[in-house]
Amino acid sequence: KNQVEQSPQSLIILEGKNCTLQCNYTVSPFSNLRWYKQDTGRGPVSLTIMTFSENTKSNGRYTATLDADTKQSSLHITASQLSDSASYICVVIAWGAGNMLTFGGGTRLMVKP
Amino acid sequence: DVKVTQSSRYLVKRTGEKVFLECVQDMDHENMFWYRQDPGLGLRLIYFSYDVKMKEKGDIPEGYSVSREKKERFSLILESASTNQTSMYLCASSGGGAEGMQFFGPGTRLTVL
Repeated sequence: KNQVEQSPQSLIILEGKNCTLQCNYTVSPFSNLRWYKQDTGRGPVSLTIMTFSENTKSNGRYTATLDADTKQSSLHITASQLSDSASYICVVIAWGAGNMLTFGGGTRLMVKP
Repeated sequence: DVKVTQSSRYLVKRTGEKVFLECVQDMDHENMFWYRQDPGLGLRLIYFSYDVKMKEKGDIPEGYSVSREKKERFSLILESASTNQTSMYLCASSGGGAEGMQFFGPGTRLTVL
């Protein structure tokens, strides 16, 4: 069964600090992995998308890494801002599944002033 | 920019009522999806559609039906709403590319009393 697990489930950090969110998956055959940011009461918005051959991808202060061998991904947030407070969802897509997505449970991040 | 809109941001209904949730996308996407999102459970796929008048069950279709009469519009129907259908409902759409990037609507928070 395809699964995506994220850790930690929630995280509180001080403004300006860095943090790293983890995603482990067992989706097969792997197509691509995405990180989404979801603000409270809003729909998810894509941050990064990574294919099998990509190890690192950045989007501003967000940097995603992918290790396809160990089936792990991380999202690193640098110099956090209050607006980074949100849920971060890891999503993995398998080939040949009609682009069906397997969602992680998300990490709820709170950035405190 | 892709735009996915949902008919209501907040909805309150009574047990047994018939509920319609509407979703419209403006990018001529073939695929459309309905998810529900509950705390601790992440996003779960209810139904999806890969073409007009075509529909497929997702992971949790019980108690729901869908309608896709036009390409841009995908409706989720709760035939007889129950309290366990209180949730955040998210609509998404994607084109036919291999990466299958899904774009999400803002969500409808449904409360069934």
